[in-house]
Amino acid sequence: GAGVSQSPRYKVTKRGQDVALRCDPISGHVSLYWYRQALGQGPEFLTYFNYEAQQDKSGLPNDRFSAERPEGSISTLTIQRTEQRDSAMYRCASSSGGSGEKLFFGSGTQLSVL
Amino acid sequence: GNSVTQMEGPVTLSEEAFLTINCTYTATGYPSLFWYVQYPGEGLQLLLKATKADDKGSNKGFEATYRKETTSFHLEKGSVQVSDSAVYFCALRSSSGSARQLTFGSGTQLTVLP
Repeated sequence: GAGVSQSPRYKVTKRGQDVALRCDPISGHVSLYWYRQALGQGPEFLTYFNYEAQQDKSGLPNDRFSAERPEGSISTLTIQRTEQRDSAMYRCASSSGGSGEKLFFGSGTQLSVL
Repeated sequence: GNSVTQMEGPVTLSEEAFLTINCTYTATGYPSLFWYVQYPGEGLQLLLKATKADDKGSNKGFEATYRKETTSFHLEKGSVQVSDSAVYFCALRSSSGSARQLTFGSGTQLTVLP
């Protein structure tokens, strides 16, 4: 597609439920990033893929959070046993790779945990 | 660790006014510096970047100069337009190790009035 696509746009869930957030990067982009953005704050790094390999997951807050990119294209961020503190905007970004690369961000998934 | 401190908003200006949004950073080595812009309902977009000291990034009338001696990367524009109303994020990427993630500031909301 023309840009980074994320779905769903909004997700409301009850505490304790699992959620899966999807990211479809720009076609051909090697690198894919997940960020979380609280209201009034800048995005905070969660994890990063190069092709299908998860290169860095140092930003994942705990083991309830996981991500995969099995075929090196679409990625899924999964949050198990959601808690209210997980409520935030989750943003995906992709890039063509290399140093100093430009990141293209999606519009995000707004997650609300009730 | 790396950090970015931005001028707190919101900032409200009249059309054609001069804009400065301050940004300072803390990082080891020689990070790359970025300004991203977020228009309402959209993902973040790269506005400009600088990869080494004394570099000036520029785009759409915006400029920022990488000042290592003051660890700053202030964003400026000589004459703002209503269409510049958005949230502006300063960010850095470390030069050390294999770190690929961006560290963002908290963002500055700019509103330009006609």
